[in-house]
Amino acid sequence: AQTVTQSQPEMSVQEAETVTLSCTYDTSESDYYLFWYKQPPSRQMILVIRQEAYKQQNATENRFSVNFQKAAKSFSLKISDSQLGDAAMYFCAYHGSGNTGKLIFGQGTTLQVKP
Amino acid sequence: DAGVTQSPTHLIKTRGQQVTLRCSPKSGHDTVSWYQQALGQGPQFIFQYYEEEERQRGNFPDRFSGHQFPNYSSELNVNALLLGDSALYLCASRLRLRNSPLHFGNGTRLTVT
Repeated sequence: AQTVTQSQPEMSVQEAETVTLSCTYDTSESDYYLFWYKQPPSRQMILVIRQEAYKQQNATENRFSVNFQKAAKSFSLKISDSQLGDAAMYFCAYHGSGNTGKLIFGQGTTLQVKP
Repeated sequence: DAGVTQSPTHLIKTRGQQVTLRCSPKSGHDTVSWYQQALGQGPQFIFQYYEEEERQRGNFPDRFSGHQFPNYSSELNVNALLLGDSALYLCASRLRLRNSPLHFGNGTRLTVT
């Protein structure tokens, strides 16, 4: 069975600085998708970034980028120029190759941004 | 363009009762998934519906059931509520044929007393 692990329950960063959130996963599949979702106090799960496992190039979305290490099964999220609005719970999630719509989430990392 | 909408936003029920939660998918989406998120935890997959049938199910008992309507909206029903069913219930939708990412609603906070 696939698992997703986020080993940092809480992280903090100074406004305008850079922070990296860690995620590791376990799977026997070769084709899959990885995601980072952000969940602010409003509760809505917002997609931050998506990575297809077959793509070697790391995904980027404006200030958000990932470091995808397939062999190490590691998928970290880097937030550059942190803003107060980035404060939220961040979840790493795995979706297998089957078109099931089933995401497997990690436990989450609470990110605090200090002014 | 309306996103995923869920109702109600909050709900309080008594142990043993039954509850129905509702979800309207994002415009253009045909597939709905339901997740249970306990406080401080990551969401857990309950099931997915498309073409009005349950297609994939997570590790949840039969007390959890659902339905999808011809307009793609969906309901989640939970019977014989337990205290442990207290959680945030998230609905997510996507366009299955494109294997597009899930879009989530704001959830329904269920409290069982």
